[in-house]
Amino acid sequence: QLVLTQSPSASASLGASVKLTCTLSTGHSSYAIAWHQQQSEKGPRYLMKLNSDGSHSKGDGIPDRFSGSSSGAERYLTISSLQSEDEADYYCQTWGTGIRVFGGGTKLTVL
Amino acid sequence: EVQLVESGGGLVQPGGSLRLSCAASGFTFSGYTMNWVRQAPGKGLEWISYISSSSGTIYYADSLKGRFTISRDNAKNSLYLQMNSLRAEDTAVYYCARDRENGWFDPWGQGTLVTVSS
Repeated sequence: QLVLTQSPSASASLGASVKLTCTLSTGHSSYAIAWHQQQSEKGPRYLMKLNSDGSHSKGDGIPDRFSGSSSGAERYLTISSLQSEDEADYYCQTWGTGIRVFGGGTKLTVL
Repeated sequence: EVQLVESGGGLVQPGGSLRLSCAASGFTFSGYTMNWVRQAPGKGLEWISYISSSSGTIYYADSLKGRFTISRDNAKNSLYLQMNSLRAEDTAVYYCARDRENGWFDPWGQGTLVTVSS
C-alpha cells in the first residue's frame, strides 16, 4: 500500500534552516513526490516535484530558499533563511495509477 | 494567469445532495486531468477523485463508496462534483486541482466549504 509518513510538527528560528521529511512506504522508494505549502486559512500551493535521485522542479515564483533532496525512501524539503511567512503546513504527495496520496502534513512553526 | 475557482458549497442536511463547480481559466482546460481534494476542519488533505481530460478515465477514493460523481464540461472549462447521501463526516473544504504529468497537483483553487449538519 502506497503511504507517505510525515512528522506532525517541526520548529525553527527566524533566519535559520529546517529540513522536513517525508517517508515512502516499503516497496515504493523509487517514487517521486511533490511538496505543497498551506498557509493558515489558504488553499495549498505547489512548491516542487522531487524525484528519487534528488532532482527537483519548482513551481512558479517559489524562492531559492526552498530546495529538495532524496535518500532511499526519504524525501526532504529544506527551507533556508526562514521567514515568518514560511510558518505553514507542509504536505507531501505522491501518485500511482488510479490513486493520489497525501502525507499527514507537518506543521512548521517559525520561532 | 492560471486560475481555478470553486463554488457551490454551503450548508446541507445529512442525506442531502450538493453539486460543486470549479471554473478554470488561463490554460487549455481540455488538455488536463483534474482532481477534487478535501480537507476536514483541522485535518489533512484527502484526495477524492480524478477525471482525465476526455472524461474517459475516472477514479475515486475507496472511502467514498459511490456517493460522489466527478464530471467535466470542456466547452465550459468547468469541473464538477456531485455529492449525494451526504454525512456529517463529509464536512470539509473542497478544492479542485489541476493534475500535472499524471502526478502532482498544480495549481489549486481557493476551496469551497461544505457543511453537513441538521
